[in-house]
Amino acid sequence: EPEVTQTPSHQVTQMGQEVILRCVPISNHLYFYWYRQILGQKVEFLVSFYNNEISEKSEIFDDQFSVERPDGSNFTLKIRSTKLEDSAMYFCASSGGEGRTYNEQFFGPGTRLTVL
Amino acid sequence: KNEVEQSPQNLTAQEGEFITINCSYSVGISALHWLQQHPGGGIVSLFMLSSGKKKHGRLIATINIQEKHSSLHITASHPRDSAVYICAVPNYGGSQGNLIFGKGTKLSVKP
Repeated sequence: EPEVTQTPSHQVTQMGQEVILRCVPISNHLYFYWYRQILGQKVEFLVSFYNNEISEKSEIFDDQFSVERPDGSNFTLKIRSTKLEDSAMYFCASSGGEGRTYNEQFFGPGTRLTVL
Repeated sequence: KNEVEQSPQNLTAQEGEFITINCSYSVGISALHWLQQHPGGGIVSLFMLSSGKKKHGRLIATINIQEKHSSLHITASHPRDSAVYICAVPNYGGSQGNLIFGKGTKLSVKP
């Protein structure tokens, strides 16, 4: 069964460094999402992406964040200058394909980001 | 924007017990997700449902669209069911778009 994959599973970085989190959505999906979960808190929406542009972003998704679909398979989240409070689990999700309902989101296993 | 409430926050059960987790939301929707989060942090989608009831193995999910309420039931619970169960709904109602998540119900099943 097709699945969403994410790399790396765990990333440790120093405050102020740039990180890129990578996701490979399900191949025929059209809608892509990033969510994050700070330890002990609920999952929060960051950004959604459709047709090669951001369709919606939350207040969390400030200028330090960017997303990109550099080729036909990858979907990346970049944090330009990490802060301690960016430490969280980041989940990628995808939904929607031709001939299918577009609303069920499939989640990747997550990348645990630790900022020191 | 939608708001999601789950209850209970924590639940301890003995193996074999019947489990019920509840979810209510404030804005009308036509699709709701039940998700399972394991101790390692990964999220697995259990159900997406729009109406009535869905069953998968020992898991049953029901939704009442009019009352804005859903329940997740686990029959004959087992220690391997121990996880956090999360309800999620579209933030602006309907059936698509970004999801808003409940705080989760932490289930611990004792042998």
